[in-house]
Amino acid sequence: DGGITQSPKYLFRKEGQNVTLSCEQNLNHDAMYWYRQDPGQGLRLIYYSQIVNDFQKGDIAEGYSVSREKKESFPLTVTSAQKNPTAFYLCASSIWTGNTEAFFGQGTRLTVV
Amino acid sequence: AQKITQTQPGMFVQEKEAVTLDCTYDTSDQSYGLFWYKQPSSGEMIFLIYQGSYDEQNATEGRYSLNFQKARKSANLVISASQLGDSAMYFCAMREGRENYGGSQGNLIFGKGTKLSVKP
Repeated sequence: DGGITQSPKYLFRKEGQNVTLSCEQNLNHDAMYWYRQDPGQGLRLIYYSQIVNDFQKGDIAEGYSVSREKKESFPLTVTSAQKNPTAFYLCASSIWTGNTEAFFGQGTRLTVV
Repeated sequence: AQKITQTQPGMFVQEKEAVTLDCTYDTSDQSYGLFWYKQPSSGEMIFLIYQGSYDEQNATEGRYSLNFQKARKSANLVISASQLGDSAMYFCAMREGRENYGGSQGNLIFGKGTKLSVKP
């Protein structure tokens, strides 16, 4: 079945540590996105990538980094520079051209302990 | 300024009744798309319905319909015959016109959501 897989579902991190969230898709989509969700805030865009080896900052990129070495994969690293990393992280992908919907992964809940 | 506004943080509806969830948007583009997603407590985002800015008829998908009023920049979601399983967060989103690669065009911008609770 085609879809987007995020792992892990739950992640705990100690303060000062970097952590990487995985996102893999087999939908052959060009575009991939990372969103952060906090209670009452909706979804906010962290980074997006339109094609391999290219990515752009979203609205809240500070303290995060990404890579897009393969079309299928778009990992997100939450660095120690992110002051408030505890949140729900959602990865999505879509066809870039045309007004088509984005497909989402199941999300990763990150907690800093 | 917010591009997507959902003014109802929470809504209640009786089972089997219809409910309207409000969404207004702000864009200067002529070409854009409007989306509604459902997020149950499990956290997954489920696509419900899409309306293109050039579509003359309101979109419908089963029990979901989109009341699109372009001049008022509103794209309200109507759920008919509510079911207990409809209890969830609902998000309105917009993607502005994107004829070309590059820039910020093409990103989905989300509202803050409406929490719908269906009462038995």
